[in-house]
Amino acid sequence: GEDVEQSLFLSVREGDSSVINCTYTDSSSTYLYWYKQEPGAGLQLLTYIFSNMDMKQDQRLTVLLNKKDKHLSLRIADTQTGDSAIYFCAEGGGDYKLSFGAGTTVTVRA
Amino acid sequence: DGGITQSPKYLFRKEGQNVTLSCEQNLNHDAMYWYRQDPGQGLRLIYYSQIVNDFQKGDIAEGYSVSREKKESFPLTVTSAQKNPTAFYLCASTEGFVKNTEAFFGQGTRLTVV
Repeated sequence: GEDVEQSLFLSVREGDSSVINCTYTDSSSTYLYWYKQEPGAGLQLLTYIFSNMDMKQDQRLTVLLNKKDKHLSLRIADTQTGDSAIYFCAEGGGDYKLSFGAGTTVTVRA
Repeated sequence: DGGITQSPKYLFRKEGQNVTLSCEQNLNHDAMYWYRQDPGQGLRLIYYSQIVNDFQKGDIAEGYSVSREKKESFPLTVTSAQKNPTAFYLCASTEGFVKNTEAFFGQGTRLTVV
């Protein structure tokens, strides 16, 4: 079955870069996703990467994928207070389902 | 504006009661999903529906029931058989039933047993 793991907490200073890491086990994953959840709200898609790509950049966001190690990371450049949220890694595997990690709570301090 | 709406935002249930959580979407999406979120855990799939009048159990369906009588609506009933129902419930929809489709989420319903 699918298993997605990520660290639970990250504290970062405003203006620094944040790096959130994720590992997954399903080698048939086609797409890998990063979702953001603000307090008391639903999830919002931030970005995704296709499994045949190594890197994807979208403004302040950079996604790196190491398919051999099944490792995915999200880098947020110039982290702002509005980036404080829970970030979920998810993988779309061999079936319809999205499997989510437990979420990384990012706290941005002044 | 198109979107997915969950109601109520907060819900309190007494022991032994059934409660129903509403999920409505006006995105014309075929597939809809219910997830449960507990602190420190990822989202776990309760039920999903690919098409009207059809739905399937997810990973943690015990104690829950759903219906899909209309394309835009996918209500979730938390029955008294669900032993630990206190959680944050999220409804989602996707345009089709393919794995490269963005999932749109509602704002969630927080259910508390009192």
